Amino acid sequence: AQSVTQLGSHVSVSEGALVLLRCNYSSSVPPYLFWYVQYPNQGLQLLLKYTSAATLVKGINGFEAEFKKSETSFHLTKPSAHMSDAAEYFCAVTLSGGYNKLIFGAGTRLAVHP
Amino acid sequence: SAVISQKPSRDICQRGTSLTIQCQVDSQVTMMFWYRQQPGQSLTLIATANQGSEATYESGFVIDKFPISRPNLTFSTLTVSNMSPEDSSIYLCSVEPRDEGNGYTFGSGTRLTVV
Repeated sequence: AQSVTQLGSHVSVSEGALVLLRCNYSSSVPPYLFWYVQYPNQGLQLLLKYTSAATLVKGINGFEAEFKKSETSFHLTKPSAHMSDAAEYFCAVTLSGGYNKLIFGAGTRLAVHP
Repeated sequence: SAVISQKPSRDICQRGTSLTIQCQVDSQVTMMFWYRQQPGQSLTLIATANQGSEATYESGFVIDKFPISRPNLTFSTLTVSNMSPEDSSIYLCSVEPRDEGNGYTFGSGTRLTVV
């Protein structure tokens, strides 16, 4: 069975500072990994995905994530936070090989202050 | 990626009643998923709905409470039955990507308040 752990339910950064949101996964087979963002009162938007190609994945809005198998991690980073990045971020895992259900982490709420 | 139209976007319902949520997809998809997001929490999968077969429910969710229909490859409904205030949540539908490994697309969600 797969699972996802997001460390830190709330993260606060200053505008222009580095954003680091942590995600660790557990999977019995090679996983597909995703980061989604949810703005207030909106649905989920895909930020980026890992599907066993390049381990460093670049997504939208300047975000990127690195898949580290040895650490079972898929942390999300952005070099310089913007006020508009304030949102809820979810890490999700699914099994590779076909279309399988997504398992979500608990989410991390990112606050960006001036 | 697929485009999903989900409705209603929000509703306020009396306890003991039922609400049916609809998801329409702009292309044919094999698998549709229904999630619940309780206030301030993450998404929990309710069930997976494949066209032509019974939905598969996750632990803690039962068909009598959350009946699902999947009449064709572009449409599905989720009914929340005999509602109580504990059912107040956002309900989202999702579909598998067109290509394996791509991101799953989500509807905009239905915000349900039970009073």
